[in-house]
Amino acid sequence: NAGVTQTPKFQVLKTGQSMTLQCAQDMNHNSMYWYRQDPGMGLRLIYYSASEGTTDKGEVPNGYNVSRLNKREFSLRLESAAPSQTSVYFCASNFLTETGELFFGEGSRLTVL
Amino acid sequence: EDQVTQSPEALRLQEGESSSLNCSYTVSGLRGLFWYRQDPGKGPEFLFTLYSAGEEKEKERLKATLTKKESFLHITAPKPEDSATYLCAVQEVPAGNNRKLIWGLGTSLAVNP
Repeated sequence: NAGVTQTPKFQVLKTGQSMTLQCAQDMNHNSMYWYRQDPGMGLRLIYYSASEGTTDKGEVPNGYNVSRLNKREFSLRLESAAPSQTSVYFCASNFLTETGELFFGEGSRLTVL
Repeated sequence: EDQVTQSPEALRLQEGESSSLNCSYTVSGLRGLFWYRQDPGKGPEFLFTLYSAGEEKEKERLKATLTKKESFLHITAPKPEDSATYLCAVQEVPAGNNRKLIWGLGTSLAVNP
């Protein structure tokens, strides 16, 4: 089982460019999440999708959009990247949003110049 | 303000030297407390869930305990492969539909051979 797969693993963007981070899980999970992790800030929730067809904002949604393409896939889009979005992004999934047991991908390291 | 504080920030142990990591929390009502392990360049990996004061969970050299205000992750006779950052997260009884976890900043553990 691959678990949670994120692409790309590394990306460098210039300010104002757009890009999409892709995430897919093969565990038949209902809920999927996008987090960012920054030194001194910990993990912060950007958006989550409790089930296919629904998405909700987390703590830091500004500057991002998401799409729950189907049950397996949840993408994160940066429409106009800013240096403040330089971070490591993690996708995670689980069966229900009510549980705190999450399965994480290996992360996507994004640098915005 | 709801928060999760982990201490120490960093800990260096000799192989076989037992110790404990602390996670203290302030939330209005605890739904669950979760411990994760994160290796460099990887996503967090779930270790334990604790739901009520007095509860204990064990896995190999790790034992997690919970009181009304804090949790401890006890590491007995650690080995170099236990070196990682250990993250604590708390899920509070939700006031609304927000199921977010409150994450600590982690304790970076290094075990020297």
